[in-house]
Amino acid sequence: AQTVTQSQPEMSVQEAETVTLSCTYDTSESDYYLFWYKQPPSRQMILVIRQEAYKQQNATENRFSVNFQKAAKSFSLKISDSQLGDAAMYFCAYRAYNNNDMRFGAGTRLTVKP
Amino acid sequence: DAMVIQNPRYQVTQFGKPVTLSCSQTLNHNVMYWYQQKSSQAPKLLFHYYDKDFNNEADTPDNFQSRRPNTSFCFLDIRSPGLGDAAMYLCATSARAGRDGAEQYFGPGTRLTVT
Repeated sequence: AQTVTQSQPEMSVQEAETVTLSCTYDTSESDYYLFWYKQPPSRQMILVIRQEAYKQQNATENRFSVNFQKAAKSFSLKISDSQLGDAAMYFCAYRAYNNNDMRFGAGTRLTVKP
Repeated sequence: DAMVIQNPRYQVTQFGKPVTLSCSQTLNHNVMYWYQQKSSQAPKLLFHYYDKDFNNEADTPDNFQSRRPNTSFCFLDIRSPGLGDAAMYLCATSARAGRDGAEQYFGPGTRLTVT
């Protein structure tokens, strides 16, 4: 069974600084997707960034980028120039290419200090 | 805008009184999911539909049922809510597995309170 592990229950960052959230996963599949979702307090879960396992290039979306290490089964999220609006729960998620299920990590609560 | 809509946003029910939560989508996605999320925890998948095919998670209690009358709508029925069922219920949709697209799109959730 696939598992997703986020080892940092809480992280904090100073506004305008950079923070990295960690995620590891376990799978025997060779083709899959990885995601980072953001869930602000009392607000909707939204997709931050997505990575296809067959792509070697790390995905980037504006201030958000990932470090995808397939051999190590590691998928970290880097947030650059952190903003107050980045404060949220961040969930790492995995989905096998041929499976409709998505597996979530336990989440990391990010606090941004002004 | 294409979206996932959940009604109601807040639902209060009495212990043991059946309750139905609804979800609709304008994305025309094949797959619809129901998750239970308790405070500061990861969403827990209850079940999902791939078109009309129902897929139940092994640890989902029998108390939870679902219906999908058409592509756009999906319902979560809790037959006899207990205090432990108080949670946020999230509906999500996605395209079918494969290169068509893999991410899930979430609704705003329904917060269920059991009194």
